Amino acid sequence: EVQLVDSGGNLVQPGGSLRLSCGASGFTFSYYWMSWVRQAPGKGLEWVANIKQDGSEKYYVDSVKGRFTISRDNAKNSLFLQMNSLRVEDTGVYFCARGRGANYLYYYGADVWGQGTTVTVSS
Amino acid sequence: EIVLTQSPGTLSLSPGERATLSCRASQSSSSTYLAWYQQKIGQAPRLLIYNGSSRAPGIPDRFSGSGSGTDFTLTISRLEPEDFAVYYCQHYGGPPYSFGQGTKVEIK
Repeated sequence: EVQLVDSGGNLVQPGGSLRLSCGASGFTFSYYWMSWVRQAPGKGLEWVANIKQDGSEKYYVDSVKGRFTISRDNAKNSLFLQMNSLRVEDTGVYFCARGRGANYLYYYGADVWGQGTTVTVSS
Repeated sequence: EIVLTQSPGTLSLSPGERATLSCRASQSSSSTYLAWYQQKIGQAPRLLIYNGSSRAPGIPDRFSGSGSGTDFTLTISRLEPEDFAVYYCQHYGGPPYSFGQGTKVEIK
């Protein structure tokens, strides 16, 4: 079964750091673009970051540039999001998602999603 | 950067009715780069439509996507009870891969 399992969410103070993880199974992880998408409480979806199959290309939404780093370990079928200098507005559920299409050169949307992990930034 | 605006914010319909959801882009784009997702409360999003009009595997044929340029539409031909949810469009022609703000389809 194709599956993504998100973990690492927690309560953290403003200015703190957190590392999210996403474990993949049931497919060849190294063939796919991967993404992080978040959702603030009661709000819509917001794309956060993407990473290409070999990690050679990474893209971020402006609001997290310089604070968040997306990375992957293809040998361990894992995706990560290192979040530093966290702000109250970073609070929400974070989903990892698989890019549609194996070995695609570009990102073409997400076809498999994790269940989400909750990040709460509050003092 | 392409900004997506979805309308209406909420659609109140009865089961069996037709739902028409709109997604307007701030600049012209190929429909190849447009996807639609469904999200139910407490769940992850689910891909419905990609490339503007192609149904994802396992998606019933009552869901269809259309449009070009700046105007895109998701149509649900006959609403089933399980279709009441929030729907998002997403553009993936290049970063940022922005989502629309969503349309909630609720039971009338």
